[in-house]
Amino acid sequence: EIVMTQSPATLSVSPGERATLSCRASESVSSNLAWYQQKPGQSPRLLIYGASTRATGIPARLSGSGSGTEYTLTISSLQSEDFAVYYCQQYNNWPLTFGGGTKVEIK
Amino acid sequence: EVQLLESGGGLVQPGGSLRLSCAASGFSFSTYAMSWVRQAPGKGLDWVSTFSGSSDSTYYADSVKGRFTISRDNSKNTLYLQMNSLRVEDTAVYYCAKKGGGYGENFDYWGQGTLVTVSS
Repeated sequence: EIVMTQSPATLSVSPGERATLSCRASESVSSNLAWYQQKPGQSPRLLIYGASTRATGIPARLSGSGSGTEYTLTISSLQSEDFAVYYCQQYNNWPLTFGGGTKVEIK
Repeated sequence: EVQLLESGGGLVQPGGSLRLSCAASGFSFSTYAMSWVRQAPGKGLDWVSTFSGSSDSTYYADSVKGRFTISRDNSKNTLYLQMNSLRVEDTAVYYCAKKGGGYGENFDYWGQGTLVTVSS
């Protein structure tokens, strides 16, 4: 099983600042990597797939990058609606696995 | 508009059974892989099972293999999860999710979830 490790667990950021979230896989996932956002009481929302392709309706201030075992989600200028928990997920191998999440909170 | 509506959750004793349903609309259900993903209270996301769209292939997490069965009825646009021999650790919100873009199983639409509580 591929283990996905996200860091940091919590990220405190001021509105308008840049946020960088990391996701590391225990072996290469060949860019078969997705990012999701989840707000309290809501279902997850797909942000990024294929490591860098934004899903429908996702603003350009969110971007994904990386390859192999190291991936990054960057939010260039945090807006109030961006404060949430973010999960990465690999879909290169079965079983599908998620990272433990990064909570982005208001500083 | 894509909609996924789960039902069938509830309180069940350890060792009991439940069947979850996910009614889908707004897309060509039969052509997409569909999955179940769960989230224990206050915890992260945990993939449970996938039913392929192009074949009858099914996939399971080791934690549920042999106890849970995923199925689909394309004539009813409905995905199911039969859960047997339930354990306390199966307590979670269960989401159904539709396969998203590109290669492989990412999830572009999720239902609102149904809560399964396993407790005596």
